[in-house]
Amino acid sequence: NAGVTQTPKFQVLKTGQSMTLQCAQDMNHNSMYWYRQDPGMGLRLIYYSASEGTTDKGEVPNGYNVSRLNKREFSLRLESAAPSQTSVYFCASNEGNSKNIQYFGAGTRLSVL
Amino acid sequence: QKEVEQNSGPLSVPEGAIASLNCTYSDRGSQSFFWYRQYSGKSPELIMSIYSNGDKEDGRFTAQLNKASQYVSLLIRDSQPSDSATYLCAVNPEYGNKLVFGAGTILRVKS
Repeated sequence: NAGVTQTPKFQVLKTGQSMTLQCAQDMNHNSMYWYRQDPGMGLRLIYYSASEGTTDKGEVPNGYNVSRLNKREFSLRLESAAPSQTSVYFCASNEGNSKNIQYFGAGTRLSVL
Repeated sequence: QKEVEQNSGPLSVPEGAIASLNCTYSDRGSQSFFWYRQYSGKSPELIMSIYSNGDKEDGRFTAQLNKASQYVSLLIRDSQPSDSATYLCAVNPEYGNKLVFGAGTILRVKS
């Protein structure tokens, strides 16, 4: 009964390093999302995947890439990390039906020095 | 203009009182509305969803939706210290299955 699983939970990077945040869901959901959360700014959508094989930009896509590897997994890549990407990253999924209820993973806390 | 607006708070209420949280949205065609609760250092957790005008009650929580006024609210009756958290309002715009989140309202329930 894992739901949405994110790895790693914490990460510290140096400016210019790259890394991939992993997300997997076991609820057979069609749609998956990546958000970042900064103090006082709520959740902002980075990228989403409405269904397997499709990805689309959200509100703040610059500096990120995504891969919908299969129905279960949706990864977020930072090619060259910048201090402005220090944030908490959340992955979410939903069934893709009209209810539009999203379920969130525990988050990844990323610091870029 | 932000698409989903919330008062950042903090909203302080005494234990046992009713907490009233408010949210306005700009997309008149929005179809689905949600309240998530987020404890410090944790992920958002869905507490209420509402899809049509009127009230929806679930235990101590009542969500109210007024599409004509583009307004959604959350009432928490008999507030407990454990209700202290940030409450995020989220709206599904007219097209697509994305959610747009407000910045959240911090609620503090004092015992």
